[in-house]
Amino acid sequence: NAGVTQTPKFRILKIGQSMTLQCTQDMNHNYMYWYRQDPGMGLKLIYYSVGAGITDKGEVPNGYNVSRSTTEDFPLRLELAAPSQTSVYFCASSYSIGASSYNEQFFGPGTRLTVL
Amino acid sequence: QQPVQSPQAVILREGEDAVINCSSSKALYSVHWYRQKHGEAPVFLMILLKGGEQKGHEKISASFNEKKQQSSLYLTASQLSYSGTYFCGTEWAGSNYKLTFGKGTLLTVNP
Repeated sequence: NAGVTQTPKFRILKIGQSMTLQCTQDMNHNYMYWYRQDPGMGLKLIYYSVGAGITDKGEVPNGYNVSRSTTEDFPLRLELAAPSQTSVYFCASSYSIGASSYNEQFFGPGTRLTVL
Repeated sequence: QQPVQSPQAVILREGEDAVINCSSSKALYSVHWYRQKHGEAPVFLMILLKGGEQKGHEKISASFNEKKQQSSLYLTASQLSYSGTYFCGTEWAGSNYKLTFGKGTLLTVNP
């Protein structure tokens, strides 16, 4: 049981390039999330998904896109990378959502992205 | 609305106690607590649900004051392994079940 896995671990992009951050979970969780973490700012939600084929914007969605074709995978796409997208990106998943004892979020190890 | 955590940072000696607070201007449904060690992913500690309950996990416990919309995390007899950044995540009416995380509290435990 690997939990939540993310690839790559590190990436350097040039301004204007595009890339996809991969996220896979093997816990059969319906709910998946993408966060970015900037120093001293906590975790900001980019996009989330409540199941295959259903995604919605979070707090900071501009410059990103997501898709969810399977329960297991939730890739995050960066188009036209900008220096402001330099951050650590975490993918997470949970069994349920809302005020429940079962909506603990499991986080992947993160992807450290630098845009130069 | 991002919850406010206090203090921003705290330094302890092994065996000392600490309290970390998380306050919101919103009527909360739940509060999550996570710990993140440097260079690692956040790890879940506990969930506090609306109702003012208190939870505990060994020497780490938390409370949820519904009247004040505030949660407090209590770390007693701190150990070196408690070092890290502690985040609260809050869910409120209108947040559509999503969590909003505070900026974190950096806890350093020294020998």
